[in-house]
Amino acid sequence: DAGITQSPRHKVTETGTPVTLRCHQTENHRYMYWYRQDPGHGLRLIHYSYGVKDTDKGEVSDGYSVSRSKTEDFLLTLESATSSQTSVYFCAIRGTSGPYNEQFFGPGTRLTVL
Amino acid sequence: QQPVQSPQAVILREGEDAVINCSSSKALYSVHWYRQKHGEAPVFLMILLKGGEQKGHEKISASFNEKKQQSSLYLTASQLSYSGTYFCGTQDTGNQFYFGTGTSLTVIP
Repeated sequence: DAGITQSPRHKVTETGTPVTLRCHQTENHRYMYWYRQDPGHGLRLIHYSYGVKDTDKGEVSDGYSVSRSKTEDFLLTLESATSSQTSVYFCAIRGTSGPYNEQFFGPGTRLTVL
Repeated sequence: QQPVQSPQAVILREGEDAVINCSSSKALYSVHWYRQKHGEAPVFLMILLKGGEQKGHEKISASFNEKKQQSSLYLTASQLSYSGTYFCGTQDTGNQFYFGTGTSLTVIP
């Protein structure tokens, strides 16, 4: 168990409303990632963080912002949700066992934008 | 950037073997393999590094051809519990990871 939780686990919202998803880890890992998973596309990186207040964009970052004010928390915000952002969102932490950097995923958040 | 997986789907009977392939167009530092059951999060299976090191489950084996940027996951003597979608993830020299679109594996009795 990698000690990652996500909240909420399910959310239904309306187009144009702001939404914030939370990822919480208990492992004190430096790297944290946000992915979205859609049929036919696999997992695609939205943003990632390499330390407190240090973040960078992934391949599908448009319409999303992130913040990391504490090591344990990584927040993903949809400023104005659109139907195209309906997806399953996974947070992940990156292992730091020597040269190995496998990822451990949280349980996911299913977001529906109506 | 996204690696290409093949096949897209495979159906096996218990006890049969399968190979899932992953190919990238970029030079890679590492290849990862994950399995995801329906409605659950992906679970780490194995990581292979440039240079030959690897770490993963005892019952899972994989290979990494650095020259061709290709990796293969070998599932032998399949069990019903092996059913799920298998993803490969790749990392070049940066901090980003790219995942394939997955291979659906179904094991039937």
